[in-house]
Amino acid sequence: AQKVTQAQTEISVVEKEDVTLDCVYETRDTTYYLFWYKQPPSGELVFLIRRNSFDEQNEISGRYSWNFQKSTSSFNFTITASQVVDSAVYFCALSLYNTDKLIFGTGTRLQVFP
Amino acid sequence: EAGVAQSPRYKIIEKRQSVAFWCNPISGHATLYWYQQILGQGPKLLIQFQNNGVVDDSQLPKDRFSAERLKGVDSTLKIQPAKLEDSAVYLCASSLAPGQERKYGYTFGSGTRLTVV
Repeated sequence: AQKVTQAQTEISVVEKEDVTLDCVYETRDTTYYLFWYKQPPSGELVFLIRRNSFDEQNEISGRYSWNFQKSTSSFNFTITASQVVDSAVYFCALSLYNTDKLIFGTGTRLQVFP
Repeated sequence: EAGVAQSPRYKIIEKRQSVAFWCNPISGHATLYWYQQILGQGPKLLIQFQNNGVVDDSQLPKDRFSAERLKGVDSTLKIQPAKLEDSAVYLCASSLAPGQERKYGYTFGSGTRLTVV
């Protein structure tokens, strides 16, 4: 069975601090895709990144970076120099090669205080 | 490009009543999804359409939930009769074609928040 675990329910930081959101996944498939989505208070889910199981290169996009480690089945997300606008719920998700269905974790609520 | 449109934004109904939600995907997007997001949980897929055909409805409670996508564009999701545990946000998403969401991610609407009292 496939599963995504986001153990951190809520994280609070002060602006300009760095913060890492953890994601651990379970699957027996060798081909799969991992995603991060941001859900601001307005409710829509905003796509941040997708990574396939054969690409373990870390990625950096501005203040965002992602660390994919197959050995520990983790796909962690770091925000550098956090800003108030980063406050949202962040979801990690998994999809398998032969299905379009996204399996989401329970989300981590990030609050960034000024 | 216009996003995925959903209505209504909020709905409060009594248990055993019926309710319907509407979704208009991004123009040209062949694949449409309905997800249910219960408070404190991640979204869960209810049904996936490819044009006007159902691809996956394995997690749709078919005794009370139904969905259709006439003409392969707009979609409606209906609950009849509603239960207290149906209180959730119902999210609609679309993608260009099967597999495209793996490249670009789905585009989600803002959702309909349903409260059943």
